[in-house]
Amino acid sequence: GNSVTQMEGPVTLSEEAFLTINCTYTATGYPSLFWYVQYPGEGLQLLLKATKADDKGSNKGFEATYRKETTSFHLEKGSVQVSDSAVYFCALTLIKAAGNKLTFGGGTRVLVKP
Amino acid sequence: DAGITQSPRYKITETGRQVTLMCHQTWSHSYMFWYRQDLGHGLRLIYYSAAADITDKGEVPDGYVVSRSKTENFPLTLESATRSQTSVYFCASSRSGRKETQYFGPGTRLLVL
Repeated sequence: GNSVTQMEGPVTLSEEAFLTINCTYTATGYPSLFWYVQYPGEGLQLLLKATKADDKGSNKGFEATYRKETTSFHLEKGSVQVSDSAVYFCALTLIKAAGNKLTFGGGTRVLVKP
Repeated sequence: DAGITQSPRYKITETGRQVTLMCHQTWSHSYMFWYRQDLGHGLRLIYYSAAADITDKGEVPDGYVVSRSKTENFPLTLESATRSQTSVYFCASSRSGRKETQYFGPGTRLLVL
């Protein structure tokens, strides 16, 4: 079956530090990959996505590259801010006749301290 | 632009009671989804719907019922709530079923006593 594994948190960083959150996946077929972010008390928001191998998704200073050879989609940001404190979810979806169900990783909580 | 809304935002109920969580989207998206979020499990799909009157089970459907008589609404009913159904419930929608981005509602926090 399909699955997503991401590093467990919490990840605690100082402001302006470099952030990496690892995400690897297993999938039958060629998935699209997503990073969603959940700020405290809110629902999930799409942060970025990539639909094919070697695509790079980017948004708000975050980047992730779809690596088919390593089945990975690691999230990076060069200089985090306190406002980046949130839970980050890696997810995948496949084209299926029955729908584009998302498979999520367990989430990684990030805490950025001033 | 209302987007996708859920109600109630918070609910406390007792074991054995029936509870309905509402989800409404204004985009006329074809697909709608219900997830539950639990510590250590991330988000898990309960049910989804490809269109009005078309629904299908997800990963954890037991104890839940859905309906979709109108494209914009996708209510989730717990027929007889159990403590294990204490969770945060998220509704989502997407335009189609071809790797489209899903847009999430703000969530409903449910406590079953």
